Amino acid sequence: AQSVTQLDSHVSVSEGTPVLLRCNYSSSYSPSLFWYVQHPNKGLQLLLKYTSAATLVKGINGFEAEFKKSETSFHLTKPSAHMSDAAEYFCVVSPRLNQAGTALIFGKGTTLSVSS
Amino acid sequence: KAGVTQTPRYLIKTRGQQVTLSCSPISGHRSVSWYQQTPGQGLQFLFEYFSETQRNKGNFPGRFSGRQFSNSRSEMNVSTLELGDSALYLCASAGVHEQFFGPGTRLTVL
Repeated sequence: AQSVTQLDSHVSVSEGTPVLLRCNYSSSYSPSLFWYVQHPNKGLQLLLKYTSAATLVKGINGFEAEFKKSETSFHLTKPSAHMSDAAEYFCVVSPRLNQAGTALIFGKGTTLSVSS
Repeated sequence: KAGVTQTPRYLIKTRGQQVTLSCSPISGHRSVSWYQQTPGQGLQFLFEYFSETQRNKGNFPGRFSGRQFSNSRSEMNVSTLELGDSALYLCASAGVHEQFFGPGTRLTVL
């Protein structure tokens, strides 16, 4: 069975400081992994994806994540937080590698707060 | 390229009624998935349609159903609404490696 655990339900940072949102996964297969962001009253926007190419994945808005198979982790980072980064972030696993359309499994989400 | 569109954006229904939500995927995408988002359960997979056939189904009661048309547009229907069905319903259109989400339909059951 596949699952994903986001280790922090809420993370608070100051503007200009680094962001770290932690995610561990469990998968019987080689998974595809994603980070999505959801701003209030909006749909989900894809930040980045891992599909077995490079283990360090760069996404939009300066975010990146590193796939570490030995640690079963896929943590999301950004060097410098911006006020507009305040949102809900979801770590997501797709059970089948490179097959879009399969049932995505979502973590519970991490709320990122950014203070000035 | 237009994104995923969902209609209506907001709905208010009463218990016992039924509701139909609509989703138009990105042009050329043949797979459409539906998800339910609630504060308590988070985001949960409902079902997926590909070329008018249900290919995957999540763990939801039979009151939740869907269909897909030949133009890939999809509808989901919830019959005999319960208070617990109040949620944001998200539709996703599948590309090569990822799913693109619509803005959602906010359903409130009174």
